[in-house]
Amino acid sequence: DAKTTQPPSMDCAEGRAANLPCNHSTISGNEYVYWYRQIHSQGPQYIIHGLKNNETNEMASLIITEDRKSSTLILPHATLRDTAVYYCIVRANSGYALNFGKGTSLLVTP
Amino acid sequence: GAGVSQTPSNKVTEKGKYVELRCDPISGHTALYWYRQSLGQGPEFLIYFQGTGAADDSGLPNDRFFAVRPEGSVSTLKIQRTERGDSAVYLCASSFPGDTQYFGPGTRLTVL
Repeated sequence: DAKTTQPPSMDCAEGRAANLPCNHSTISGNEYVYWYRQIHSQGPQYIIHGLKNNETNEMASLIITEDRKSSTLILPHATLRDTAVYYCIVRANSGYALNFGKGTSLLVTP
Repeated sequence: GAGVSQTPSNKVTEKGKYVELRCDPISGHTALYWYRQSLGQGPEFLIYFQGTGAADDSGLPNDRFFAVRPEGSVSTLKIQRTERGDSAVYLCASSFPGDTQYFGPGTRLTVL
């Protein structure tokens, strides 16, 4: 599976949109982009995933560039409870192991 | 519905002892995964089950680690002769084959 690159940390003010970037320049045509987050002392929580098109659910939006070499996870109105480590993972649907990397530590401040 | 559950939530043991960690997957999920997370790191893959069989155990660090899933549901991760370096959070996830993985809360193992 392709490798991803994320900034180690980001800050966001409560109520503002949090935009978390991810680079995956070696992504293959059959690989999906997955986002998980991990709140302190909890197991990873699935957020969203996509292949080519932008995706939105009740938690977040995922914007994937046309060349698929990068993506952005958007939390439209960040709350203090969104403080967590966010992981961007690339994986083929025929694959199984998730390669988490170190993720982005997002701090939402009042 | 019920998510993935793991027991115990915390386990403290002494160096050299044997431990078992249990995972109860989401009902109907045939795929089950174990990961290990050391302090400050992301989770790392250990082993993947499809049904009762281990389809890939390439992430197990050595032969002290073993996992079973005899009836294709509950899985047990077994660690023999524990070492201090085995201290970590052990995470379990389940899914339909090739689909999104859902994680349990983890078991924090401390080897003294």
